[in-house]
Amino acid sequence: SQTIHQWPATLVQPVGSPLSLECTVEGTSNPNLYWYRQAAGRGLQLLFYSVGIGQISSEVPQNLSASRPQDRQFILSSKKLLLSDSGFYLCAWNRPPSYEQYFGPGTRLTVT
Amino acid sequence: AQKVTQAQTEISVVEKEDVTLDCVYETRDTTYYLFWYKQPPSGELVFLIRRNSFDEQNEISGRYSWNFQKSTSSFNFTITASQVVDSAVYFCALTGSGNTGKLIFGQGTTLQVKP
Repeated sequence: SQTIHQWPATLVQPVGSPLSLECTVEGTSNPNLYWYRQAAGRGLQLLFYSVGIGQISSEVPQNLSASRPQDRQFILSSKKLLLSDSGFYLCAWNRPPSYEQYFGPGTRLTVT
Repeated sequence: AQKVTQAQTEISVVEKEDVTLDCVYETRDTTYYLFWYKQPPSGELVFLIRRNSFDEQNEISGRYSWNFQKSTSSFNFTITASQVVDSAVYFCALTGSGNTGKLIFGQGTTLQVKP
């Protein structure tokens, strides 16, 4: 069976510090990978998606970047965090031609 | 452009009541997929159902049922005999048939089931 991991689970970082969130998927190959952010406990905003190694598409211009160094690894980064980067970050995967996405446990980021 | 609207921000019911969560969508795609996800207090999104645009048959899974109507662009979710464990935020989502699989989410409905 497939599982998706995210770490860390929670993170408190000062403004201006760097960020690295990691997501890995087990039990599948060539997945599509996605990063979402949920602010204020409400709607989900798609930040980045990747259909293959080294292929990253950005949905919203922002202070963040993403990378996919390996088939089942997706990393969300920032060089300098802003207060507005606080939120709940969710990683997800799907395996075409299936369309449903499966989500990780999330990382709760607080920028102080 | 694609859009999903969940007009109900919060719903509160008493245990054992039936409750319907509304979802209205907009898309120009002829082939598309609709989803419902549950987000319990722990935060992880749990996949509940996928419905294809070419299949309007309603579906029942235990106490859950889904009513898909293309004529009104709606995909409503009903919980029968609600339980306290059903308390969560529920999201409706939409995607087209492209290979990116990007999901467009509604704003979510917070369901509180009181004992």
